[in-house]
Amino acid sequence: GAVVSQHPSRVICKSGTSVKIECRSLDFQATTMFWYRQFPKKSLMLMATSNEGSKATYEQGVEKDKFLINHASLTLSTLTVTSAHPEDSSFYICSARAVERAFGEQYFGPGTRLTVT
Amino acid sequence: QQQVKQSPQSLIVQKGGISIINCAYENTAFDYFPWYQQFPGKGPALLIAIRPDVSEKKEGRFTISFNKSAKQFSLHIMDSQPGDSATYFCAATTGGGNKLTFGTGTQLKVEL
Repeated sequence: GAVVSQHPSRVICKSGTSVKIECRSLDFQATTMFWYRQFPKKSLMLMATSNEGSKATYEQGVEKDKFLINHASLTLSTLTVTSAHPEDSSFYICSARAVERAFGEQYFGPGTRLTVT
Repeated sequence: QQQVKQSPQSLIVQKGGISIINCAYENTAFDYFPWYQQFPGKGPALLIAIRPDVSEKKEGRFTISFNKSAKQFSLHIMDSQPGDSATYFCAATTGGGNKLTFGTGTQLKVEL
């Protein structure tokens, strides 16, 4: 149980285009999902917290107009990188908080490797 | 202070040995401490977690030791195997499921 999927797993796009990444909780409901960014050999950097049906809360320094987050249902959140540039190339990972678990454990997706050329 | 300090940065252990990774925190409001295992190119996987009302939790070869007064917790991997070679992150959070504060990670290599 507690499986989180991400799609796509890898995407290459041209500078100036937008890319959408989907995060789904497959076997549990997630009122809260989190989006992270990870650079090589570094820890996870929280970008934003999204709650189902409400606006996402962005961490300091994260451009909300560039990284659009939508959490339309209890099992789906999307991250859209708008007008992508090479510096946006990174490993993006989502996590979902399991509502029914006593301590709200977070389960992570497999990640999406974004390369902007 | 929200920081979680993790050490060592990297660790090499012989097959069958014990791997020990340490974390320390400042925020006494933290009440949930998970450990995650991450393989290259993959997302982190929840390995084991502990609450501060217990001093130790064991699941198979993995044990968390928790010292509330010292504000430290550690992961012990017994009988380490080459398949355990990965990056390990400690984390902490408050209030049951709020955002996680991650440690900086430890790259573990288990050699034959």
